[in-house]
Amino acid sequence: DTEVTQTPKHLVMGMTNKKSLKCEQHMGHRAMYWYKQKAKKPPELMFVYSYEKLSINESVPSRFSPECPNSSLLNLHLHALQPEDSALYLCASSQNTATNEKLFFGSGTQLSVL
Amino acid sequence: QKEVEQDPGPLSVPEGAIVSLNCTYSNSAFQYFMWYRQYSRKGPELLMYTYSSGNKEDGRFTAQVDKSSKYISLFIRDSQPSDSATYLCATPQFQKLVFGTGTRLLVSP
Repeated sequence: DTEVTQTPKHLVMGMTNKKSLKCEQHMGHRAMYWYKQKAKKPPELMFVYSYEKLSINESVPSRFSPECPNSSLLNLHLHALQPEDSALYLCASSQNTATNEKLFFGSGTQLSVL
Repeated sequence: QKEVEQDPGPLSVPEGAIVSLNCTYSNSAFQYFMWYRQYSRKGPELLMYTYSSGNKEDGRFTAQVDKSSKYISLFIRDSQPSDSATYLCATPQFQKLVFGTGTRLLVSP
């Protein structure tokens, strides 16, 4: 089973709203990632969690706040987003952060900010 | 120069054709290469994972790495309309994947 589950699949929010994206994996992976993908562009890394600790923050604005409650769950809290934040948000996981590990992606949350 | 270059396409082929998708990379230190397939508004799906130079085959898919030329390829035999998607090559670097821009493939019945 190589499944990474993301909820919700679609989200529409106003610029003053607070919402959360959720991600879950049951593969025993210890590394989890958030990527952002704009239309017709490749995914761009936002955050990396390794063994439930934040190991990479790619200079993401503070209106995006990641959280890793345990090794299976990853959340992305959203607050005061801008219309340009509209994108496909992808969660991924891997066994660990070693270079040779395969990354498995979820189906993504399509976010629209009005 | 981008670290991984990929022609964005679109590449249009008839059903049953052999498809060749290609990427070039700039850093000879890259060792591992992946091909992902992404349908519209869905997450990327890992298709192939290769390490050394040479070919790796899985069903209708063959991944090829030529480290001397810094060139990686994905071949799809007997292409099907369901293969219509964007194909992304990627290589891991310091806990993140470096992606090509993706090639959009259209297979017509």
